[in-house]
Amino acid sequence: DTEVTQTPKHLVMGMTNKKSLKCEQHMGHRAMYWYKQKAKKPPELMFVYSYEKLSINESVPSRFSPECPNSSLLNLHLHALQPEDSALYLCASSQEGWPGTGGNEQFFGPGTRLTVL
Amino acid sequence: LAKTTQPISMDSYEGQEVNITCSHNNIATNDYITWYQQFPSQGPRFIIQGYKTKVTNEVASLFIPVDRKSSTLSLPRVSLSDTAVYYCLVGVHSGSARQLTFGSGTQLTVLP
Repeated sequence: DTEVTQTPKHLVMGMTNKKSLKCEQHMGHRAMYWYKQKAKKPPELMFVYSYEKLSINESVPSRFSPECPNSSLLNLHLHALQPEDSALYLCASSQEGWPGTGGNEQFFGPGTRLTVL
Repeated sequence: LAKTTQPISMDSYEGQEVNITCSHNNIATNDYITWYQQFPSQGPRFIIQGYKTKVTNEVASLFIPVDRKSSTLSLPRVSLSDTAVYYCLVGVHSGSARQLTFGSGTQLTVLP
């Protein structure tokens, strides 16, 4: 199984809501990532988990809270978001924690399209 | 701020070879260069990865000069289904840290 799954596919939320995005992989990968992608822009790295520990936080606002319950699951908890947070949120996984290493390419999920009203 | 740049768009005809270049002046010393393909409303898909010289797989080739400050993705004999956005991904030096950065992306349009 070389698939990364993400739920939900679409999410609409108000600025006072609390919601969560979910990501799952069963490839035995030990690194998982959250990216944010705005329209017609490249993905921007938000967080990296390596062996279930947060290893990189790219200065993301605290209204985004990641969680890695186990090596197969990654969540992104959302609270008090702003309309400018509307974007495609992508999850990815790789064998180890730095995709710049040879043979450590990332596998991406289809993303969650988030709209903040 | 280190930038990883690509041409915004390219057009090609079916059956032609397409070369897309990525400029990454500040690439981290030990990092590989990876290329991805992305269709609308989908996640990026891995194409090829390399560290130096030339790498070839069943779908593409990757050319990397000695100084590693750029890389060129070569797609042989493109078809309509290759119409997509192509991104390079590298680790770059950012101050004392290393930052994972996607290139600006190249929209490839293959015409019949």
